[in-house]
Amino acid sequence: EIVLTQSPGTLSLSPGERATLSCRASQRVSTSLAWYQQKPGQAPRLLIYGASTRATGIPDRFTGSGSGTDFTLTITRVEPEDFAVFYCQQYDNSPGTFGQGTKLEIK
Amino acid sequence: QVQLVESGGGVVQPGGSLRLSCTVSGFTFSDYGMHWLRQTPGKGLEWVAFIRLDASNKYYADSVKGRFTVSRDNSKNTVFLHMNGLREDDTAVYYCAKPGRRYGYRDYYDFWGQGTLVTVSS
Repeated sequence: EIVLTQSPGTLSLSPGERATLSCRASQRVSTSLAWYQQKPGQAPRLLIYGASTRATGIPDRFTGSGSGTDFTLTITRVEPEDFAVFYCQQYDNSPGTFGQGTKLEIK
Repeated sequence: QVQLVESGGGVVQPGGSLRLSCTVSGFTFSDYGMHWLRQTPGKGLEWVAFIRLDASNKYYADSVKGRFTVSRDNSKNTVFLHMNGLREDDTAVYYCAKPGRRYGYRDYYDFWGQGTLVTVSS
């Protein structure tokens, strides 16, 4: 089973700042990596798939990059509605696995 | 718009059974396999089961194999998760999710239900 390690565990930023979230895989997953945002009491929402393709309706301030074992989700200017927990997920190998999450909180 | 609505969660004693349902709308259900996942504060997000679009194949996480069964009724746009032999560590919010691609076993999830809470406790 592929283990995904996300860093940092918590990221404290002010609105308007740039957010950089990392996800490292224990084995290569090519570009079979997705990012999700989850707010309290809600289901995860797909942001990025294929490591860098934005899902329908996702603002272009969200950018995914990387391949192989190292991936990054960047939010160029954090908006108030962006504060949430973010998860990466690999789907190169079965079972698909998730990282433990990065909490983006208001500083 | 795409909607997935789960139901059937609740409180059950260890060893008990529950059946979860997920009814979908907004896409052609019979064109897609479907997934069940669960989430706990301790173990995070975990994939549970997958059923192919025609139910010809089903796959399970090791943690539920032999206890859970996934099925579907394409005439009712509904996928089910039959859970037997429930244990306290099955306590979680259970989600059904649509894969991004038609045959999507190894896939990302582009739409999720709202989740249903299953609590296993004596």
